[in-house]
Amino acid sequence: NAGVTQTPKFQVLKTGQSMTLQCAQDMNHEYMSWYRQDPGMGLRLIHYSVGAGITDQGEVPNGYNVSRSTTEDFPLRLLSAAPSQTSVYFCASSYGGGARNTEAFFGQGTRLTVV
Amino acid sequence: EDQVTQSPEALRLQEGESSSLNCSYTVSGLRGLFWYRQDPGKGPEFLFTLYSAGEEKEKERLKATLTKKESFLHITAPKPEDSATYLCAVKRGNTDKLIFGTGTRLQVFP
Repeated sequence: NAGVTQTPKFQVLKTGQSMTLQCAQDMNHEYMSWYRQDPGMGLRLIHYSVGAGITDQGEVPNGYNVSRSTTEDFPLRLLSAAPSQTSVYFCASSYGGGARNTEAFFGQGTRLTVV
Repeated sequence: EDQVTQSPEALRLQEGESSSLNCSYTVSGLRGLFWYRQDPGKGPEFLFTLYSAGEEKEKERLKATLTKKESFLHITAPKPEDSATYLCAVKRGNTDKLIFGTGTRLQVFP
């Protein structure tokens, strides 16, 4: 089982560059989300999706865009990278709604450095 | 405002020395409390879900408990391979959004 797959694992960007972090899951989960993890701040929600075609903002959405054209994929776009976006990014997926087993499964993360 | 607070921030234990990690929370309509383990350079790995006060779950040397205000992760006779950061998160109401604490970094020495 692949679970949640994120690419790339590492990335260095220059300020102002754009890029897309890829996330794919093979568990047919409705709910997908993106978090960033910074020292001392825990995991913070950037954007999330409750199904194909539906996305919404989380706690720290500025500077990021998402789309969900399929159930499996949920890419995160950095529009114009800034040093403040240096972080480790995690994608997660779970069953949503009234499902009993709603634990989230996480990818291995993308470590992004913006110089 | 929904909030999750974990303590202590860091914990050093001798192998075999049992202890507990705390997760206190304030949330409107708890829908589930989740414990995760995170190893350096890896994504969080799911451990337990607790849904209601009084519920307990066990896995090997770990036992999670839940009250109306907090959850404990008890570690019995820990081994060095239990060293990791343990994260607590909650879901509230009718949302699937997770609210995380900042974690407890556990180090177990032989």
